[in-house]
Amino acid sequence: GAVVSQHPSRVICKSGTSVKIECRSLDFQATTMFWYRQFPKQSLMLMATSNEGSKATYEQGVEKDKFLINHASLTLSTLTVTSAHPEDSSFYICSAHDRGRQETQYFGPGTRLLVL
Amino acid sequence: QKEVEQNSGPLSVPEGAIASLNCTYSDRGSQSFFWYRQYSGKSPELIMFIYSNGDKEDGRFTAQLNKASQYVSLLIRDSQPSDSATYLCAVNRSGNNRLAFGKGNQVVVIP
Repeated sequence: GAVVSQHPSRVICKSGTSVKIECRSLDFQATTMFWYRQFPKQSLMLMATSNEGSKATYEQGVEKDKFLINHASLTLSTLTVTSAHPEDSSFYICSAHDRGRQETQYFGPGTRLLVL
Repeated sequence: QKEVEQNSGPLSVPEGAIASLNCTYSDRGSQSFFWYRQYSGKSPELIMFIYSNGDKEDGRFTAQLNKASQYVSLLIRDSQPSDSATYLCAVNRSGNNRLAFGKGNQVVVIP
């Protein structure tokens, strides 16, 4: 149980384009999902908290107009990187909070984004 | 002071030995503590969580929590080469489900 998937696993795009990343909880309902970014040799940095049916809560320093988050259902959240630039190249990881297992977050496999 | 600190550098241990990892946190209101393992190029996977002071054992892993001293540790007994990874300490920020992560400790188990 507690499986989280992400799609795509890897994406290469040109500078200025937008990229959408999907995060799905496959066998549980996730009222809350989280989006992280991880640069090489660094730890995970929380970008935003995504709540089903409401607006996402962004961490300080994260541009909400650049990183659009939608959490339309209890099993799906999407992150759209708009007008991507090379500095946005990173490993994007989502996690889902399983409300049936107190406070435990399960991570998706991650999406590696490379912006040329 | 960082929210979660893991200060020690890469840890090399011989196969079969015990690996010991430490983590300190700054928010006294934190209630939940997690250890994740992350292999290179992969996302983190949950190893253990602990809520109460004391020890919690799960197979070869033991988590230890001391809220008064604000530290949490992880012991890996009978270390195996497959344990070679980066171990991330995570602390639940008081009042919500957001996790703060330490920068991680790399463990290398030498056959």
